[in-house]
Amino acid sequence: QITLKESGPTLVKPTQTLTLTCTFSGFSLSTSGGGVGWLRQPPGKALEWLALIYWNDENHHSPSLKSRLTITKDTSKNQVVLTMSNMDPVDTATYYCVHIGTTMATNFDYWGQGTLVTVSS
Amino acid sequence: DIQMTQSPSAMSASVGDRVTMTCRASQDISNYLAWFQQKPGKVPKRLIYGASSLQSGVPSRFSGSGSGTEFTLTISSLQPEDFATYYCLQHNSYPLTFGGGTKVEIK
Repeated sequence: QITLKESGPTLVKPTQTLTLTCTFSGFSLSTSGGGVGWLRQPPGKALEWLALIYWNDENHHSPSLKSRLTITKDTSKNQVVLTMSNMDPVDTATYYCVHIGTTMATNFDYWGQGTLVTVSS
Repeated sequence: DIQMTQSPSAMSASVGDRVTMTCRASQDISNYLAWFQQKPGKVPKRLIYGASSLQSGVPSRFSGSGSGTEFTLTISSLQPEDFATYYCLQHNSYPLTFGGGTKVEIK
């Protein structure tokens, strides 16, 4: 069974860098296929895709946030880390990590519980 | 970037109603489209993948159709637990993009 869980600070100050960790089980990023993605959802607003990384380190980022985002993986720990620099109050949102599978049937099929990050001084 | 436009943004319906909502892509995305249901304070749940394939465990009253640029999610007979916000997602090309959502409310 696949599970994912986000962890990180719940409160960050403006201009600080946010570091979120997705710890997962039930699949591996050390073998071919699959990956982990990050999404976010500001309170009362729609979902927004941020970034994803595949087993072979191929990664993609939202163009509007690309200069601020870094996504990496630690295969030995079954973790994917997202960092977002220069945080602003508009970045206040629930951040989710999701499983990216090798087929259409297994893309976005499992989600973490989400973690609410508030940006405030 | 591919823009995903959902309509309507909100709708009121009664239990038992047939409900249809639309997602339009600004470019051809083939069938790389998924539908999600989200209830307040909950994690989004995938209902449909590949535009028309029903996620295991999802009631058969949900169905998806379409290909290319126009897609539809239909609930054949709305149930009380279906009142929620529905999102479409295209994953044909980067950046991946979501629609703005359709909120289904009780009439």
